[in-house]
Amino acid sequence: DIQMTQSPSSLSASVGDRVTITCRASQSISTYLNWYQQKPGKAPKVLIYAASSLQSGVPSRFSGGGSGTDFTLTINSLQPEDFATYYCQQSYSTPLTFGGGTEVEIK
Amino acid sequence: QVQLVESGGGVVQPGRSLTLSCAASGFTFSSYAMHWVRQAPGKGLEWVALISYDGSNQYYADSGKGRFTISRDNSKNTLYLQMNSLRADDTAVYYCARDFAVLVAAKILDVWGKGTTVTVSA
Repeated sequence: DIQMTQSPSSLSASVGDRVTITCRASQSISTYLNWYQQKPGKAPKVLIYAASSLQSGVPSRFSGGGSGTDFTLTINSLQPEDFATYYCQQSYSTPLTFGGGTEVEIK
Repeated sequence: QVQLVESGGGVVQPGRSLTLSCAASGFTFSSYAMHWVRQAPGKGLEWVALISYDGSNQYYADSGKGRFTISRDNSKNTLYLQMNSLRADDTAVYYCARDFAVLVAAKILDVWGKGTTVTVSA
C-alpha cells in the first residue's frame, strides 16, 4: 500500500497569511494526488485534483504542485473560511490512501 | 442538484451485521464509479471500498476485505455497503462519494454525502 505522510499535522496562521502544506508519498505516484478540505462535522470537499488542477468553484487562492513523491498545497491570503483540516489522497492505485491531515487553526 | 444521502447507520453489537445505503440524485448514477470512505471519531479519512459504474468490479481496503461488500442497484440509483462481523474499530462516520470521472474510476472523490454514523458496541 502507498503511505501518504502530511506535514505539519497542525499549524496556526493569521488571516492574510500564506500557508503551505506538504504531502509525501511512499513511492512515486506521478501526479495522482488530490487535496480535500474538511470542516468540523462536515463532509470533505475536493479542492485540487491531479496535483495542480483546481476543482470547479474553488477559489484561486488555493493551488497545488509537485509530482513523483512530493506535493504541496498552498493557500494564498488565508481567509476565515479556510480554517479547516486538509487531507491529501493518492489516486494512483487501490487501496486509495489519505494523509493524516493538517489542521489549520486561527492564530 | 447533485446529492448523496446515506442511511442505515446505528448502534450494533460486535459480530453483527449492518447494511448502509446511499441514495443518489441529480446525476446519471449508472455512469459513475462510487466509493465508501469512513472516519473514526477524532481521526482521519479512511477509504473503504470502490465499485465500478456498472458494478462489475469492486475494490476494498484490507480492513474490510472479506467482511464488507460494496454493491449497487443502478435501477434504484442506490449504493450499498454490507458490513459483517463488525468490530469496535469499525465505529465511524461512513460517507459515500461519487468518483470524478464518467465510466472510469479516476479515484477522485468529487461529491460526498453527509455521512451516516455506525457505532459498534456491546
